[in-house]
Amino acid sequence: QQQVKQSPQSLIVQKGGISIINCAYENTAFDYFPWYQQFPGKGPALLIAIRPDVSEKKEGRFTISFNKSAKQFSLHIMDSQPGDSATYFCAAGYRDDKIIFGKGTRLHILP
Amino acid sequence: KAGVTQTPRYLIKTRGQQVTLSCSPISGHRSVSWYQQTPGQGLQFLFEYFSETQRNKGNFPGRFSGRQFSNSRSEMNVSTLELGDSALYLCASSLTQGIEQYFGPGTRLTVT
Repeated sequence: QQQVKQSPQSLIVQKGGISIINCAYENTAFDYFPWYQQFPGKGPALLIAIRPDVSEKKEGRFTISFNKSAKQFSLHIMDSQPGDSATYFCAAGYRDDKIIFGKGTRLHILP
Repeated sequence: KAGVTQTPRYLIKTRGQQVTLSCSPISGHRSVSWYQQTPGQGLQFLFEYFSETQRNKGNFPGRFSGRQFSNSRSEMNVSTLELGDSALYLCASSLTQGIEQYFGPGTRLTVT
């Protein structure tokens, strides 16, 4: 019930394409869904987050889509660039409590 | 504003030894969480401290412990190190518990 399942494990996208990473959760009590971006040798950095009362949130080229009934959410990176090559983690948690991370997706954007 | 800092950045220890890692949160942040990151298991939650009190704990053995000081700085300790403890240990701080966590660069621990 506490798991967050993330797919795919790795993803290769052409420059300019759309990168899509999916996550699924089981615990309907989760009320906070962040995405983190991690470059080699660095700690994860908060990219964008969404609450379950919103179906979509967009920040620049990054969009989170949230499907409450399916208990799924996804990250879309539009016009993907080589600088977006990193590991992406989805997570889910409760307000004022710990968050559970997915296992990560290694994204590589081909130049 | 300075980010989360962790010291040391790299550490090599021998099986059976103990280690202490340090984390200084962003100024004003009162919550500090610790995570273990390995290639196979991803990011696993160790524990969280808020105002010097441990508020949440993950599923790690008692060899892993931590504490938080009145200035919100935190330390984690691992006793009787095992080879499987080799990992990147990440600290994250937030204003209040859990949400909007900001991570430090991590401490890379290698146990030989």
